[in-house]
Amino acid sequence: GAGVSQSPSNKVTEKGKDVELRCDPISGHTALYWYRQSLGQGLEFLIYFQGNSAPDKSGLPSDRFSAERTGGSVSTLTIQRTQQEDSAVYLCASSLSGGGHSPLHFGNGTRLTVT
Amino acid sequence: KQEVTQIPAALSVPEGENLVLNCSFTDSAIYNLQWFRQDPGKGLTSLLLIQSSQREQTSGRLNASLDKSSGRSTLYIAASQPGDSATYLCAVSSVGTGNQFYFGTGTSLTVIP
Repeated sequence: GAGVSQSPSNKVTEKGKDVELRCDPISGHTALYWYRQSLGQGLEFLIYFQGNSAPDKSGLPSDRFSAERTGGSVSTLTIQRTQQEDSAVYLCASSLSGGGHSPLHFGNGTRLTVT
Repeated sequence: KQEVTQIPAALSVPEGENLVLNCSFTDSAIYNLQWFRQDPGKGLTSLLLIQSSQREQTSGRLNASLDKSSGRSTLYIAASQPGDSATYLCAVSSVGTGNQFYFGTGTSLTVIP
C-alpha cells in the first residue's frame, strides 16, 4: 500500500485482557517505530526496529508490553493484562532508513480503550 | 535527554493571516527536525523535514526554518485557510539517540473563516 496501515483502528477491551495491535509499514522501509499518544500529552516512544538488528525496547513502560517484527515487515505490539492507564492512541511509523536520518511516515493509529 | 517545547499551545487566527509556530529544543546535536500536522482522530502527516545542515525548507505556503545553535525552529504559514486548522507538532532526531524522535506537545491551530 501507499502508506502505513494499522489495525484495528479502534479497540475496546476489558481490564486484564490481552490485546494485539498490528502495523504494516511502507514497503521497503527498514525502520519501524511504535509511539503512544495519551490525551493531552506528547508522543511517547515505545520501541524501534531496524532491519535485522535487535530492537530498541528502551521505551516500553512495563514487561506487559512486547513487540515483534516478522520478516522485517509487519509488526505486532502486544499488551498483556491490560490496565486502564494503557488507554491511549498507539501510533506506528516507518522510515526508509534508521538512525533518525529519514522522515517518519505515520499510520492513523489504534485507539485503545480499556474499561 | 532532549526536550522539545512548542509555544503557544493553542492559537486562533482569522483566515488570510500569516502566522508563525515555534519549536525549541534543548540539545543542538540533532540529525534533523521534522514538522507534522495532526487532524483529529488521525495520525501524523509529515509537512517538512530540515536536515541539521540546512537553514530552511519550503513547501507551498509553508516555510520552516532551523537555527540549530540556538535550538529553535519556526513554521511559517502564509495566507492561512480554515483547512489549515489542525495540531502542528515538531520532532527532532538527536545524535546519539537516533533510534527515537523527540516530540513537542504541539500547537493547536484554529483558522476562523
